[in-house]
Parts: sequence; structure tokens; C-alpha cells
Amino acid sequence: DAMVIQNPRYQVTQFGKPVTLSCSQTLNHNVMYWYQQKSSQAPKLLFHYYDKDFNNEADTPDNFQSRRPNTSFCFLDIRSPGLGDAAMYLCATSRPRGQGNGYTFGSGTRLTVV
Amino acid sequence: GENVEQHPSTLSVQEGDSAVIKCTYSDSASNYFPWYKQELGKRPQLIIDIRSNVGEKKDQRIAVTLNKTAKHFSLHITETQPEDSAVYFCAASPVSGGYNKLIFGAGTRLAVHP
Repeated sequence: DAMVIQNPRYQVTQFGKPVTLSCSQTLNHNVMYWYQQKSSQAPKLLFHYYDKDFNNEADTPDNFQSRRPNTSFCFLDIRSPGLGDAAMYLCATSRPRGQGNGYTFGSGTRLTVV
Repeated sequence: GENVEQHPSTLSVQEGDSAVIKCTYSDSASNYFPWYKQELGKRPQLIIDIRSNVGEKKDQRIAVTLNKTAKHFSLHITETQPEDSAVYFCAASPVSGGYNKLIFGAGTRLAVHP
């Protein structure tokens, strides 16, 4: 009964080669988030969408972009992956504030850069 | 900006003992404090949460306490079991716009020894 689905679970990409990670949800949540989690570290918010409105965190590198073509899907594009971008990428969804605070996380995509 | 500090970074207990993890947040306007359990290679799972209008919440062996004046909250696990071994993350949700941004602590690696 997976409700936030990330594909693929594991992704290997070459240094500098663009890569796209995908996330889909069946919860009809307004808000979708992308977090980066490096080994033994806390998840770090990269950006989020509130419906179609895109919100970038101030310290998210320009190398990271996102698209949300509809309510159900959200993509993370890494334009030129570097070795430092190797991490677990977590997608999460939630309702807007005031309608419940809980996040639902996807299983994550572990990105390896070679 | 918002910051959440979490201690200790590692915690080792014997089965049956209690475990306590503490977090401090910087934004006094934060009003939602979830705790996540993350097993190796898996997604973070919400285990308990508390809102700023409540001082304590309990769910079986797990409890969370909140001290708004001191801006800290704690996770208490009683009668620990080996399956409690995981990384635990606290988080705080500052009041910002219509979405539920979560700022995570750095995590506590809990090991429960039989």
C-alpha cells in the first residue's frame, strides 16, 4: 500500500551526466518535498512545491532543479552531478499547515556518482 | 535561521533499560515536533509527535515531553527491545507559510543490546 513511490530505488550516474529522480503520490497531498540525506546525517530540505508554487531553500545549489507537472508527480533533476551529490534522496508529501502536520516519506532513491 | 540540536549522537543501552534522546530548537514559534525512526536503508517513519499546546504525549513504550519555555523536547523509550535499534531524528516545524517545513536534528543512533 505504498502511497509515496520513488523510482528508482538505486541510481548510478556518471560524473557530470544529468540524472532525474521521480516521485509519485496517491494521497492527493498539496505539498511535495525533496530532501537530501547524506550518510549519517539528517535529511536536508532542498525545495518543496505547494501545489504548483515552487519554493527553493536558500542554500540549495543551482545544480538541483525540480518539476511538478501535476499533483501526483514530482521530479528532481540534477544537471551535472558531482561526487558530493551522492546521497539518499527522499521525497515526502504533506497536507498544508492546519490540515495535519504529518509527512509521508517515500522509500528514497540512493544516488551513486561514479 | 531555524536550528535543531539533538543529543546524544549515539546511545547504547541494555535490553529492558530506558533510553532518552533530547532536542533543542531555536525558533520559538515552532509548533509541531515529530520524532522519526529510520532503520538502515529505509525511509524515516513517524513514531510519535507533539504539538506546542501539549506538554506530554505517550504511546505504549514511547513518550515525548515538550518544554516550550526552555525550547526543548525529549523522546523517552521504556523497556527497550533490540528492534528499537535504529537512528532516531527529532524535528521542529517553524511557522512559515502554508506548508509544514521540518527542520531535523542530526540524529541519534540507538543500539539496544540483548
